[in-house]
Amino acid sequence: GESVGLHLPTLSVQEGDNSIINCAYSNSASDYFIWYKQESGKGPQFIIDIRSNMDKRQGQRVTVLLNKTVKHLSLQIAATQPGDSAVYFCAEIPWGGYNKLIFGAGTRLAVHP
Amino acid sequence: ETGVTQTPRHLVMGMTNKKSLKCEQHLGHNAMYWYKQSAKKPLELMFVYNFKEQTENNSVPSRFSPECPNSSHLFLHLHTLQPEDSALYLCASSQETKKGYDSNQPQHFGDGTRLSIL
Repeated sequence: GESVGLHLPTLSVQEGDNSIINCAYSNSASDYFIWYKQESGKGPQFIIDIRSNMDKRQGQRVTVLLNKTVKHLSLQIAATQPGDSAVYFCAEIPWGGYNKLIFGAGTRLAVHP
Repeated sequence: ETGVTQTPRHLVMGMTNKKSLKCEQHLGHNAMYWYKQSAKKPLELMFVYNFKEQTENNSVPSRFSPECPNSSHLFLHLHTLQPEDSALYLCASSQETKKGYDSNQPQHFGDGTRLSIL
């Protein structure tokens, strides 16, 4: 069986607080950056994406920020709810690789009542 | 209901067995993918099929053999696997336009098959 697992960083927040999940990427030639949410026992679920020519994009209760200078991506979740508890992955699509997602390691978000 | 259905949900097999994983998408998409999610590595793309043609093989060992008989079905045939192949195997689908990634057409994932190799 598996002996050593990925050590996912964990972000613990109180219900109602805002959450910020961070992701560093290495490929400055990526075209799109995407956030996925994976709940226990489920497959990843698309949340929001942002193109490399943008700095910010907002969705419903979520905001993605892109800082190309430091190759940093963040996902902000407003008024975090227990249903937001999951592992969050950032993924990137390189230029010319329009159907090739490259995933990061993920961050576990734990929401406490 | 995700629109992408994978069977079986769990599979335990010996190293000498032959088995197949099945994926079916009900979204009318024209591209399908296999990913591997293990405890040791981030989600890894294995294979991509566009319009039923394999367009990506991400250096996957030959003991994994994909098959895409039509745009709605994708199989992963397994033969002589190793213990390190134990993982969650995820299928995804999307609608590709040949114009690049479309923000309105992200990849949709199934819930995976949890594979354990004894």
